[in-house]
Amino acid sequence: GAVVSQHPSWVICKSGTSVKIECRSLDFQATTMFWYRQFPKQSLMLMATSNEGSKATYEQGVEKDKFLINHASLTLSTLTVTSAHPEDSSFYICSATDRGGGPQHFGDGTRLSIL
Amino acid sequence: RKEVEQDPGPFNVPEGATVAFNCTYSNSASQSFFWYRQDCRKEPKLLMSVYSSGNEDGRFTAQLNRASQYISLLIRDSKLSDSATYLCAVNRDPAAQKLVFGQGTRLTINP
Repeated sequence: GAVVSQHPSWVICKSGTSVKIECRSLDFQATTMFWYRQFPKQSLMLMATSNEGSKATYEQGVEKDKFLINHASLTLSTLTVTSAHPEDSSFYICSATDRGGGPQHFGDGTRLSIL
Repeated sequence: RKEVEQDPGPFNVPEGATVAFNCTYSNSASQSFFWYRQDCRKEPKLLMSVYSSGNEDGRFTAQLNRASQYISLLIRDSKLSDSATYLCAVNRDPAAQKLVFGQGTRLTINP
């Protein structure tokens, strides 16, 4: 099945630091990738849709200047949490689909802890 | 009202029992439906897609009721390893490829 790799798995850093998370589709080309955030005991909340070669589409309430998304190629999207603060601590997960209307395949997730 | 709603549980059932989950969706234009399984502190993994005619994969059966706008998941002969959170997901616009997830139902299978 489709494989999506996410890196790093775990990040602990000081408040004010910017953190970059990578999401790669390993065995298929993904024109669209998705970034989610999940707080403890809550469901996945879509943050943005990452489109290869164009600007990301952000969900309502998600600050695009805070969460920078770059989709540089058909197999790589990055999410940068700029000037992270403790309230940004969460589980960030990317996903990709290899065809329209098909299921999304998730990366391993990145657990971000801001001290 | 949330676009996709699930009973959060928790469901605690003995090993070998049959468990059923429902998930309702509000947008009648929804096109594709899925069940995901998420283990604690891990990413969701696709369990199965849900087809209009219903589909089965081993001990798991998924059904779709478009008239009532709900999908269901049935787990027969439950195993200890089935303990997880089960998330339903709905794609209301295949062109946009966006999924909306329910909050998940936590299941614990007891020995």
